[in-house]
Amino acid sequence: EVQLVESGGGLVQPGGSLRLSCAASEFTFSSYWMTWVRQAPGKGLEWVANINQDGSEKNYVDSVKGRFTISRDNAKNSLSLQMNSLRVEDTAVFYCARARYPYAATGDYWGQGTLVTVSS
Amino acid sequence: DIQMTQSPSSLSASVGDRVTITCRASQGISNYLAWFQQKPGKAPKSLIYDASSLQSGVPSKFSGSASGTDFTLTISSLQPEDFATYYCQQYYTYPITFGQGTRLEIK
Repeated sequence: EVQLVESGGGLVQPGGSLRLSCAASEFTFSSYWMTWVRQAPGKGLEWVANINQDGSEKNYVDSVKGRFTISRDNAKNSLSLQMNSLRVEDTAVFYCARARYPYAATGDYWGQGTLVTVSS
Repeated sequence: DIQMTQSPSSLSASVGDRVTITCRASQGISNYLAWFQQKPGKAPKSLIYDASSLQSGVPSKFSGSASGTDFTLTISSLQPEDFATYYCQQYYTYPITFGQGTRLEIK
């Protein structure tokens, strides 16, 4: 069974940084696009970013461009999201998801999520 | 950006009912439309992709259809475990966008 386990969430002050990780197992990680989706408390789902199989192509929602960086380490079956200049409005549960093959951005398997709280 | 508008925003139904949720795209997205189910405190679960293809392991009581820019998710014979929030998502173009969600409640 595909497994995705996020970590790295927590409380951070506005303007601060946080790095999220997603450990993948039980599938060939290097063969899939991967994506991050977030959900603010009590709100809907928002796509954040995705990355292709070798990390050469990355896409972001406008609200995080220049602040967030998605990356992956295929040797470690790991996906990351470096978040800088965090804002209160970035407070959300962040999910990593495997993109359904051969697509780039719709998830077929999702992790359980990690909560990021941006507050002073 | 492509706007995805779901209707209704909330829906009350009884066990055994058949319900339909609609998602309208603000422009053409071919059939690049997915449906997800989310229960409180849990991650979204994939139900349907490519507008009408059933995710492996999802019961056939869930079905999807498309007509132009209108998409529907139909759930037949509602069971207690089906009461949740449902989201549509377009993956035709960036930015990828979701509908606002439809909360399905027990009547």
